[in-house]
Amino acid sequence: GESVGLHLPTLSVQEGDNSIINCAYSNSASDYFIWYKQESGKGPQFIIDIRSNMDKRQGQRVTVLLNKTVKHLSLQIAATQPGDSAVYFCAETGTGFQKLVFGTGTRLLVSP
Amino acid sequence: NAGVTQTPKFQVLKTGQSMTLQCAQDMNHNSMYWYRQDPGMGLRLIYYSASEGTTDKGEVPNGYNVSRLNKREFSLRLESAAPSQTSVYFCASSGSVGGTDTQYFGPGTRLTVL
Repeated sequence: GESVGLHLPTLSVQEGDNSIINCAYSNSASDYFIWYKQESGKGPQFIIDIRSNMDKRQGQRVTVLLNKTVKHLSLQIAATQPGDSAVYFCAETGTGFQKLVFGTGTRLLVSP
Repeated sequence: NAGVTQTPKFQVLKTGQSMTLQCAQDMNHNSMYWYRQDPGMGLRLIYYSASEGTTDKGEVPNGYNVSRLNKREFSLRLESAAPSQTSVYFCASSGSVGGTDTQYFGPGTRLTVL
């Protein structure tokens, strides 16, 4: 079946560095992608999304890049802070918002 | 505005016991969802409700039932709990924010079945 996965299960960075979290997806019909952040003991929190008619979208300190040719999604976090330490999930859907498919997650560890 | 709330936060059951997980949202969203999250795995959809009065199966519905009580509330029931249902359960709701239909999650219920 279709799946969404991540290249790196754990990413360790220093405070102030830029972080890049990657995600590969296999459903070529996917047209909407979301990044979520999940802190320990909490539910996933929406960070940023992008539609397939775009290749880049920026938020506050975060940027999502979409490469439909290679079915790759990335989340860039600028000036990473200790509060950014969490698990980050990508999710995608091509069949409506009821059918989000989530990746397994990447843990981001930020050291001071 | 509390967003999505879930009760209880923690629960321990014995095999064969039943229980209902409660979820409520105050964002006037039409759609609501139940997911389970297991270690090393992404969120998997159990059931969803596109609107009040409708429910549909997700990826892993076996062993669960749901009720969309009204627009605000969506409950998940385990009729006869099994150890394989030990997991963290998340409820979510979705509605448009700036034109984007984003899912918002509750804090989760950590369930252990002995």
